[in-house]
Amino acid sequence: KAGVTQTPRYLIKTRGQQVTLSCSPISGHRSVSWYQQTPGQGLQFLFEYFSETQRNKGNFPGRFSGRQFSNSRSEMNVSTLELGDSALYLCASSLGDSYYGYTFGSGTRLTVV
Amino acid sequence: ELKVEQNPLFLSMQEGKNYTIYCNYSTTSDRLYWYRQDPGKSLESLFVLLSNGAVKQEGRLMASLDTKARLSTLHITAAVHDLSATYFCAVDLSQGGSEKLVFGKGTKLTVNP
Repeated sequence: KAGVTQTPRYLIKTRGQQVTLSCSPISGHRSVSWYQQTPGQGLQFLFEYFSETQRNKGNFPGRFSGRQFSNSRSEMNVSTLELGDSALYLCASSLGDSYYGYTFGSGTRLTVV
Repeated sequence: ELKVEQNPLFLSMQEGKNYTIYCNYSTTSDRLYWYRQDPGKSLESLFVLLSNGAVKQEGRLMASLDTKARLSTLHITAAVHDLSATYFCAVDLSQGGSEKLVFGKGTKLTVNP
């Protein structure tokens, strides 16, 4: 059974650029959540999508956005990158009922220079 | 605002010893998860605790949940070097069909020979 796939694994971007990260959930999972992990702030919730609808959003600026496609794959976009956006971005998939827990992908390491 | 406090944040212990990591949280939730993270890696699911009094064990690790006290514990028995990692608890705030986890800051465990 394939796990959660995130691409790319590593990214280096320049301040002011934008970036798109991709997450393919486990087959059959309809919910995808995104988290940002930094040494200073720890793991913080970005947003959650279910059946192409954003159901919840964390406390991040509007530069952070996302979407989900009909096949449940999700993308998140960060525009006008800042140095502080450097982080490990993790996505998690679930069936949509957290009773079964969440499976995390390997993450995308974004470095903004 | 929900607060999830883990302690200790750093734990250095000798092989063969026992220790407990604590996770306190500030709001009502009956679902809590424990994850392990190795350096540079993603989050590996350890335990899914879904109700008050839940206790789960896997190898040298045992987790419990007391929803009335808003406390979860992760007990390590006879530690071995392979358990060295960072351990996170995450409180599930899913409600109304929307999923969201709030993480503790993590406990970095080092097991010394």
